[in-house]
Amino acid sequence: AQKVTQAQTEISVVEKEDVTLDCVYETRDTTYYLFWYKQPPSGELVFLIRRNSFDEQNEISGRYSWNFQKSTSSFNFTITASQVVDSAVYFCALISMDSNYQLIWGAGTKLIIKP
Amino acid sequence: GAGVSQSPSNKVTEKGKDVELRCDPISGHTALYWYRQRLGQGLEFLIYFQGNSAPDKSGLPSDRFSAERTGESVSTLTIQRTQQEDSAVYLCASSLGFLSMNTEAFFGQGTRLTVV
Repeated sequence: AQKVTQAQTEISVVEKEDVTLDCVYETRDTTYYLFWYKQPPSGELVFLIRRNSFDEQNEISGRYSWNFQKSTSSFNFTITASQVVDSAVYFCALISMDSNYQLIWGAGTKLIIKP
Repeated sequence: GAGVSQSPSNKVTEKGKDVELRCDPISGHTALYWYRQRLGQGLEFLIYFQGNSAPDKSGLPSDRFSAERTGESVSTLTIQRTQQEDSAVYLCASSLGFLSMNTEAFFGQGTRLTVV
């Protein structure tokens, strides 16, 4: 079975702090993709990153970075020097052949950045 | 259009009434998905279309829910005899082809449905 767990329901930090959002996944497939989406208060889900299971290189995009570790089945997301505009709900998702190519979603982590 | 468009953005309806939710996908996107998001929760898959066909209807929560798509474009999600537990945000997404590991889904802003 496939499952995505985002154990942190809500995180609140002060602006400029670094924050890490956890994502742990389960799948029997050896080939799969992991995604992060951002859902700001406007409601629209915004694609952030896609990572395939064969590429364990960490990725950095500006203040965002992602740490993919197959050994612990985790795909954590770090925001460096957080800003108020980062406040949103962040979703981690998994897709694989075993999921019939449907996105399996985590429950989301609500991130609140206080000024 | 430039993005996925959903209408209405908000809908308040009385229990027992029928509602129709509309999704206009990105032009040229053959795959279209409907999700439901209850308050404070993740996304719940409802149905997807490949072209005008819906090969997987397993996510529809009851026979009160139906969806159709015409012209490989607009899709309508219909909820009959609405119940209070239907209150949620209904999100539509589209992708260039059948959602595979190499494509991404683009989401609309959703329709917030409130059943009173």
